[in-house]
Amino acid sequence: QVQLVQSGAEVKKPGASVKVSCKASGYDFNTFDISWVRQAPGQGLEWMGRISIRNGNTKDAQKFQGRVTMTTDTSTATVYMEVRNLRSDDTAVYYCARMVAVAGINWFDPWGQGTLVTVSS
Amino acid sequence: YELTQPPSVSVAPGKTATITCQGNNIGAKSVHWYQQKTGQAPVLVISFDSDRPSGIPERFSGSNSGNTATLSISSVEAADEADYYCQVWDYTSDEYVFGFGTTVTVL
Repeated sequence: QVQLVQSGAEVKKPGASVKVSCKASGYDFNTFDISWVRQAPGQGLEWMGRISIRNGNTKDAQKFQGRVTMTTDTSTATVYMEVRNLRSDDTAVYYCARMVAVAGINWFDPWGQGTLVTVSS
Repeated sequence: YELTQPPSVSVAPGKTATITCQGNNIGAKSVHWYQQKTGQAPVLVISFDSDRPSGIPERFSGSNSGNTATLSISSVEAADEADYYCQVWDYTSDEYVFGFGTTVTVL
C-alpha cells in the first residue's frame, strides 16, 4: 500500500538545523510531488512547502523562505526537509504528505506518521 | 487567504455533525477535508468538495457554495471524535491553506 515513513524524533538547540526524511513506497515515486506540513503543540496544520520529484523544483511558503530546503533522492525514494536556524517556536510535529493532483487541483494523501522536532536550550 | 472553522462541535451518537469552513468566495475553490485523531497523522476524508476516497464511510459528505464549505457526518459514532480541517489552494500566493480546525465531540 502507499506509505510514507518518516525519520525519528529530534531534539535540537536554538540556532541549530534539523533534517527530516520521508521514505515513500507502494507507488511510482516520480509521479507525485511531496509537501511538508507542520503542527505546533495544540495548534492547527501549517503548510511549509512542496517539492516536485520529477524535476526537483521547490515552492516554499513565504513564511519559511530562506530557512527551509527540500531535496529528493530518487534512488531511495526519499524526500528530505532541512530547517535551519531553529527557534523555540519551531517545536512541532513535521509531516510529509503525497500530493494527489486531478485537473490541476491538489490535495494531500496519504501523510507520513510525523516527526516531532523539539527545540530547546 | 483565511479559512474560518468553529473551534468545536458537539453531537449525540446517531445524529448529524455539521462542520463549516468559511472563506471569501470559497465556492470558487476546491475544498478538501482531513480527519485527525489524537496522536495520529491527518487522513483525507473528502476531496474535491464532495468526493469520498475509498475506505471512507458514506456517512461523510461535503458541499461547497458561496462563502461556506460544509462537511457533514451522519449517524455519528464515537470513532468519529477527532479534529477536522478544511484545506484549499490559494492561487494568489500559490500556497496551500488550512482552516483552524474543528474538534468534534461525541456526547
